[in-house]
Amino acid sequence: GNSVTQMEGPVTLSEEAFLTINCTYTATGYPSLFWYVQYPGEGLQLLLKATKADDKGSNKGFEATYRKETTSFHLEKGSVQVSDSAVYFCALKVTGGGNKLTFGTGTQLKVEL
Amino acid sequence: GAGVSQTPSNKVTEKGKYVELRCDPISGHTALYWYRQSLGQGPEFLIYFQGTGAADDSGLPNDRFFAVRPEGSVSTLKIQRTERGDSAVYLCASSLGGGAETQYFGPGTRLLVL
Repeated sequence: GNSVTQMEGPVTLSEEAFLTINCTYTATGYPSLFWYVQYPGEGLQLLLKATKADDKGSNKGFEATYRKETTSFHLEKGSVQVSDSAVYFCALKVTGGGNKLTFGTGTQLKVEL
Repeated sequence: GAGVSQTPSNKVTEKGKYVELRCDPISGHTALYWYRQSLGQGPEFLIYFQGTGAADDSGLPNDRFFAVRPEGSVSTLKIQRTERGDSAVYLCASSLGGGAETQYFGPGTRLLVL
């Protein structure tokens, strides 16, 4: 079946630190990969996506590269801000798999001054 | 424009009762999805509608769960004989079409079964 594994949180960083949140996946087909973010008190929002191998998704200073050889889609940001504090979910969707998203368990990020 | 809306935002019920949760998708979105998110977990897929029909209901946990979308817009998730284990946040999402990549999520309904 399809599954997503994320590093456990919470991850606590100082402002301007470098962020990496690891995500690996298992898929029966050829997936599209996503990062969603959930800010406190808000709904899930799409942060970035990549639809094929070696694609790089980017948004708001965050980046993730679709690595087929390592089945990974790690989220990175060079300099985090307090406003980046949220829960981050890695997800996949397999073409022909009914359009459903399969999510990881989420990683909570706390950024402190 | 307006995003996906869900009502109620919170629902408290007693074990054995029946509940209905409502989702209003983004106008013009033909695809609608329900997910369930338990505490500390990622959302889990329940059911996907394309138009009025359920294209994939493989995530519904048992026959106590049922969802409808009679006019291809608003959807209702129905849970019969609720159990304490049904307590979770129920999320609705919509997308422009069945193959569209981006799903837009509502704020969720937090269900607590006492």
